[in-house]
Amino acid sequence: NAGVTQTPKFQVLKTGQSMTLQCAQDMNHEYMSWYRQDPGMGLRLIHYSVGAGITDQGEVPNGYNVSRSTTEDFPLRLLSAAPSQTSVYFCASSYSGVAEAFFGQGTRLTVV
Amino acid sequence: GQQLNQSPQSMFIQEGEDVSMNCTSSSIFNTWLWYKQDPGEGPVLLIALYKAGELTSNGRLTAQFGITRKDSFLNISASIPSDVGIYFCAGPELNSGGSNYKLTFGKGTLLTVNP
Repeated sequence: NAGVTQTPKFQVLKTGQSMTLQCAQDMNHEYMSWYRQDPGMGLRLIHYSVGAGITDQGEVPNGYNVSRSTTEDFPLRLLSAAPSQTSVYFCASSYSGVAEAFFGQGTRLTVV
Repeated sequence: GQQLNQSPQSMFIQEGEDVSMNCTSSSIFNTWLWYKQDPGEGPVLLIALYKAGELTSNGRLTAQFGITRKDSFLNISASIPSDVGIYFCAGPELNSGGSNYKLTFGKGTLLTVNP
């Protein structure tokens, strides 16, 4: 099993560019989520999904869009990147919202 | 949403020492999770606690679910260099609509172990 796979691992964007961070899991988990990690801020929830077709906002959703068309994939879209979105992004999946979450290795994004 | 307050923010210890860190919340949690993040990696679950008063061990790690359900403690005994990393507590909280849960994390405790 690959677990949770995130691509790319590193990305540099110019302000105003758009991009999609990919996340895929092969554990048949219903629950998937995106976090951003900034120094001293811990892991802050951006968006999450409790199943295909169902998404909800976390703590810091502004500037990000998500959709969940399949159980396996949960992409995170930045429509117009801003320097404030420079961060490390983690995708996680779990059997449910109260169960152990498995994390990907992260995407380090820099917006210049 | 609920806030999880972790302390201390960072610790510098000598190899062989014991370590204790805690996590508190203003609201009740029904589950407490402790994660460790190695440099450059994603967090990995260390211990899960599901019942108030529960004490669970995983090797040199011991965690407890507070009786009030508003706190949890993680202890590491006889620390070694590979214990270095960030330790997070986490707990599921209901979303604003009360329809499902989301996993909330504390800000973490950065542990440095001097050999």
